[in-house]
Amino acid sequence: GENVEQHPSTLSVQEGDSAVIKCTYSDSASNYFPWYKQELGKGPQLIIDIRSNVGEKKDQRIAVTLNKTAKHFSLHITETQPEDSAVYFCAASTGQAGTALIFGKGTTLSVSS
Amino acid sequence: GAVVSQHPSRVICKSGTSVKIECRSLDFQATTMFWYRQFPKQSLMLMATSNEGSKATYEQGVEKDKFLINHASLTLSTLTVTSAHPEDSSFYICSASASTGGAGREKLFFGSGTQLSVL
Repeated sequence: GENVEQHPSTLSVQEGDSAVIKCTYSDSASNYFPWYKQELGKGPQLIIDIRSNVGEKKDQRIAVTLNKTAKHFSLHITETQPEDSAVYFCAASTGQAGTALIFGKGTTLSVSS
Repeated sequence: GAVVSQHPSRVICKSGTSVKIECRSLDFQATTMFWYRQFPKQSLMLMATSNEGSKATYEQGVEKDKFLINHASLTLSTLTVTSAHPEDSSFYICSASASTGGAGREKLFFGSGTQLSVL
């Protein structure tokens, strides 16, 4: 089955800096790669996703890149703000109806002002 | 995005009792819902896949008789933790798949989670 590795497990940056979180996956059939932000005591919130027919997607300060050949994808957050502090999870699936997501272990991002 | 409502958000129960958690898709129909479990500072672990009108599919190591899942309608799935014990204390999160347009364009939206504490 699918296995998703995520690094780093913790990341501390200064406000205004960029943050990059990287993930690798094992199943070449996976073609849907979402990123979730989870705040303490809450459910994960979808912040951006990418499908294998594109290499990069951007939404304001957040971008995701995908290298399907190497089976890795990354989350980029620019101009970080204290409210970006949370746990971020990458995930992978085939993207078909009824298919569950397999999650990475998460990255705790701390943005200090 | 699509809204998934989960209740209760927090429950404390005595050992040996049963607890029911509800997961509703508010503005869309969800043929499939998923139940995840999360321990503190850990990732989300898939417990089971719930399909409307049929039996749930459980992941390896998850006791189907302990974690009863019912998906009686396209907008409601329930997870019942039977005869709960302290080791069942965890954060349980449901999710539902919503189509964003076209086959293979599913996105997964999560409920707000239920913190279960078994005394």
